[in-house]
Amino acid sequence: DTGVSQNPRHKITKRGQNVTFRCDPISEHNRLYWYRQTLGQGPEFLTYFQNEAQLEKSRLLSDRFSAERPKGSFSTLEIQRTEQGDSAMYLCASSFRGGFGANVLTFGAGSRLTVL
Amino acid sequence: AQSVAQPEDQVNVAEGNPLTVKCTYSVSGNPYLFWYVQYPNRGLQFLLKYITGDNLVKGSYGFEAEFNKSQTSFHLKKPSALVSDSALYFCAVRDPRGNRLAFGKGNQVVVIP
Repeated sequence: DTGVSQNPRHKITKRGQNVTFRCDPISEHNRLYWYRQTLGQGPEFLTYFQNEAQLEKSRLLSDRFSAERPKGSFSTLEIQRTEQGDSAMYLCASSFRGGFGANVLTFGAGSRLTVL
Repeated sequence: AQSVAQPEDQVNVAEGNPLTVKCTYSVSGNPYLFWYVQYPNRGLQFLLKYITGDNLVKGSYGFEAEFNKSQTSFHLKKPSALVSDSALYFCAVRDPRGNRLAFGKGNQVVVIP
């Protein structure tokens, strides 16, 4: 078990470009979450998957953002036509549905996006 | 919607002294409460949680937290702080009917040798 893995760790892009982040959760975890964290703030919820189904999305997730988890394993978060306000740390987390591990999120180290 | 307030930006404490990081929450119904810690260039790490049962919960690295329903608080405590406890601490709350955690803005803890 290598924990939650996120790639790339840092992405620098120009405004208007598209970017994609990948998250590989802990293999036994069926729940996957995306959060966004800006400097001086706590993580903000973006979206949540149970297996391959996207069950909840925040209003923060504009139509430029799309997330997928095609086979219930890894997930991707794509941002189209990036804006400077998208600059943030994008965090992925996973958890069990039940048992002691339920409700306990294991976070990855994050993918930092810088939009110039 | 649920929310968390962490009123202090930074908590300074001398090594060996007790450490307290304050958290108050707002949620309809009974809350699920959590503390996470973030070290530089590392992901958030789970410390402890309160779901139900005993109001005093013990977690990793000697930390504990007390759930106080009347004051809607869930303060994090450690009897004797270590320099290695210097980090960013986040309180979070979840409405048990939903799936999202709401985090506070975090508290920077600085333990002075």
